[in-house]
Amino acid sequence: ILNVEQSPQSLHVQEGDSTNFTCSFPSSNFYALHWYRWETAKSPEALFVMTLNGDEKKKGRISATLNTKEGYSYLYIKGSQPEDSATYLCASMNTGFQKLVFGTGTRLLVSP
Amino acid sequence: NAGVMQNPRHLVRRRGQEARLRCSPMKGHSHVYWYRQLPEEGLKFMVYLQKENIIDESGMPKERFSAEFPKEGPSILRIQQVVRGDSAAYFCASSPAGEAEKLFFGSGTQLSVL
Repeated sequence: ILNVEQSPQSLHVQEGDSTNFTCSFPSSNFYALHWYRWETAKSPEALFVMTLNGDEKKKGRISATLNTKEGYSYLYIKGSQPEDSATYLCASMNTGFQKLVFGTGTRLLVSP
Repeated sequence: NAGVMQNPRHLVRRRGQEARLRCSPMKGHSHVYWYRQLPEEGLKFMVYLQKENIIDESGMPKERFSAEFPKEGPSILRIQQVVRGDSAAYFCASSPAGEAEKLFFGSGTQLSVL
């Protein structure tokens, strides 16, 4: 069984604050780690896919890091804006499975 | 290139009826995944299909639920004799063969069982 956990469950920050979330996953037989951004009533939108230990990816004000040896990934948002409000999901895939297993997400609310 | 299309967007059924949820993958994608989101929970894997084959149905309830992805046409998730506990958002995702990292999601079908 592949368990993916995310923390915190929810986060409320002010516009301009920087924030980060954690995703932990089993490190054995790791294959890939995905981050998605999910707004209510829309489909999850892929942010990053990372496969190698030490990977760092960046997209505008959002970046992510990956540690496959200890089984965690961080997602950072620099200078949060109200439009960043969404649920951020991480999902892991290991070599034994061909499916993504999702965490329960971190719900971010950015107030103006 | 249209994205993953799911229909209907909303589906209301009475207890005991059948629910049929459709998913048309992105053009060129031959793999389809179904996920379910129960209230206050994350996305839970249900089933993974390729054309005409079920690859992994480990997340699908053994009774009343079935899925198919025929050679022609959309993937169908069928729920027979629905109960209130089946009320959830059902999401479909697709990817090209052998490239599960290129997974794209549809907008989901919200099933409400009265």
